[in-house]
Amino acid sequence: KAGVTQTPRYLIKTRGQQVTLSCSPISGHRSVSWYQQTPGQGLQFLFEYFSETQRNKGNFPGRFSGRQFSNSRSEMNVSTLELGDSALYLCASSLGTEWDEQFFGPGTRLTVL
Amino acid sequence: AQKVTQAQTEISVVEKEDVTLDCVYETRDTTYYLFWYKQPPSGELVFLIRRNSFDEQNEISGRYSWNFQKSTSSFNFTITASQVVDSAVYFCALTPNSGGYQKVTFGTGTKLQVIP
Repeated sequence: KAGVTQTPRYLIKTRGQQVTLSCSPISGHRSVSWYQQTPGQGLQFLFEYFSETQRNKGNFPGRFSGRQFSNSRSEMNVSTLELGDSALYLCASSLGTEWDEQFFGPGTRLTVL
Repeated sequence: AQKVTQAQTEISVVEKEDVTLDCVYETRDTTYYLFWYKQPPSGELVFLIRRNSFDEQNEISGRYSWNFQKSTSSFNFTITASQVVDSAVYFCALTPNSGGYQKVTFGTGTKLQVIP
């Protein structure tokens, strides 16, 4: 069974640009969550999508958005990039009930110059 | 507000030694979940355990064991007979037991290096 895949694995952008990250969950999983990991703030929950709807949201500005497609694949978008957005962005998938075990992808490392 | 403290930033042990990773938490919620995750150098987080605050029984899974003590707000993780493959960053996390993962608070992590 294939694991969670994230593309691209590495990305370099400049301030002011926007970026889209992609996550393909494990087959059969309907929930996709996104996390940001930085040296300063550590691991933080961004949002969760379930059946194409945002079900939960963390405390991030509106520049961070996401969506989920009918095949459960999810994308995360960050607009007007800031230096502080440089981070490892992790995606996790689960079957979909509230406390199902989450399976994580390898992450996308975003560097903002 | 929730808080998770992992006071040990880095630990080095020689292979086959036992090692305990400490986790102390603060919460005003009466019911909550505690987690441990492993993050190897490859980057993905690996779920290790979830413990409900109602259940204070210790748990053992192979070489891993967890000691949950509500009285001291601690949820410590012990690796017995450590192996090089255990080298990773380990995170403890806490969340209220309603609302899913959106309110999860992670500790800052403990980097474990197992020396052959």
